[in-house]
Parts: sequence; structure tokens; C-alpha cells
Amino acid sequence: SQQGEEDPQALSIQEGENATMNCSYKTSINNLQWYRQNSGRGLVHLILIRSNEREKHSGRLRVTLDTSKKSSSLLITASRAADTASYFCATGPMAGGTSYGKLTFGQGTILTVHP
Amino acid sequence: GAVVSQHPSWVICKSGTSVKIECRSLDFQATTMFWYRQFPKQSLMLMATSNEGSKATYEQGVEKDKFLINHASLTLSTLTVTSAHPEDSSFYICSATKAFFGQGTRLTVV
Repeated sequence: SQQGEEDPQALSIQEGENATMNCSYKTSINNLQWYRQNSGRGLVHLILIRSNEREKHSGRLRVTLDTSKKSSSLLITASRAADTASYFCATGPMAGGTSYGKLTFGQGTILTVHP
Repeated sequence: GAVVSQHPSWVICKSGTSVKIECRSLDFQATTMFWYRQFPKQSLMLMATSNEGSKATYEQGVEKDKFLINHASLTLSTLTVTSAHPEDSSFYICSATKAFFGQGTRLTVV
């Protein structure tokens, strides 16, 4: 079942602006990941943050995780038209073993960056 | 990084026919693979967990007799949509052990 909720559902910004997307989840997690999906295509893994981490950076991406609030945010700085895509958060379960890699996805945010 | 290859990338089939989708791990062994489904403008939903050498574990509401999963080797899992109907039209995507995803398969049933 879906446990992640993302907001906003859609975000429209101008090139150069920052985009912030939020994700909330319900159960305890081992890690939280963010993915990008271009229209109708496969998933591109952006970043993984573990439950014992609070912030992580990768290029123009910054992810925060607040396990007390069960929430995460993805910030894309200096956005580009090529960043236009759907962005999903996904949580990995606490249990290890074969369940590692079994992800629960949020509803997603559709980001449109206008040139 | 690890590569997961999914084939075909798209398929159109007639209602009532069966379609097989393959998911291969190219440079690593995957004892576990996961199959997800994504309806238009929706998120990805886990359908089943495919375990090498044993039966797949299906999520609630997913018909195991309709979505046949075979994981006969450590590098290949297949999903067969049997007696496909238009409502099965969707984007199907697999992942292998540590969330390495295939490219996905867009199935259209006409």
C-alpha cells in the first residue's frame, strides 16, 4: 500500500529558481530514496538518505530527512528546463534480508521548469 | 553501477492474449526481484516479490494466476500477463535486490 504522500502534486517554476518537494511517510524506515521519472519512462535514482542521516547533497540536489516527523524534502537548486519530470520518494523497510529493495513509493510531484 | 535490463520496452497485444516481460540483471546475481505497476499519472505500486527458486510473493489485490512470475535463475525473472485485458494496460517495471530498476515496459492491450 502507498505510505508516502508528496506535496505539492504539481510545481511550475521558471528556470533558475529553486524547487522544493516534500514527502511524508507512515512507518519506520531503513532509508528513503528519491527518483526522477521522465514522461512515461524508467526511473532514475537520484539520492538515498539513510535513517540515521539528516541531510545529504549531490550536485544541485539537497535532501533532508526528519525521522521524528516522518518527512523528507528534496531541493533542486538553480533549476533547468531539463529538470522537468515527475519526482518520487520511496521508502525502504526496516527489515533486511530479501525485503531490502522492496520500496513503497509516494504519489509523486510533477515538476515543470519553464525556460 | 549495476544494470538491470527489461524487455520489451513496449508491447501492444490483443485482448485475451498473454504477454511475457523479462527482467535481467546483467552484471550481478539477483536472488530477489520486484515487479511494480504504474497506471497513467499515478505512482508505482509493488505487485510482487520474485524469489529465485521459489514461489513469488504477491501483494494484496494482485491476482497470482493472472500475473505469473518465474524466477528460475539468479539473473532472470519473468512476468507473464495472462489473458490480458485493456484494464491491464500499464507501465510495468522491475527492480533487482538493492533497488536497481529496469527501463520499464509499457503494455497496451487493445
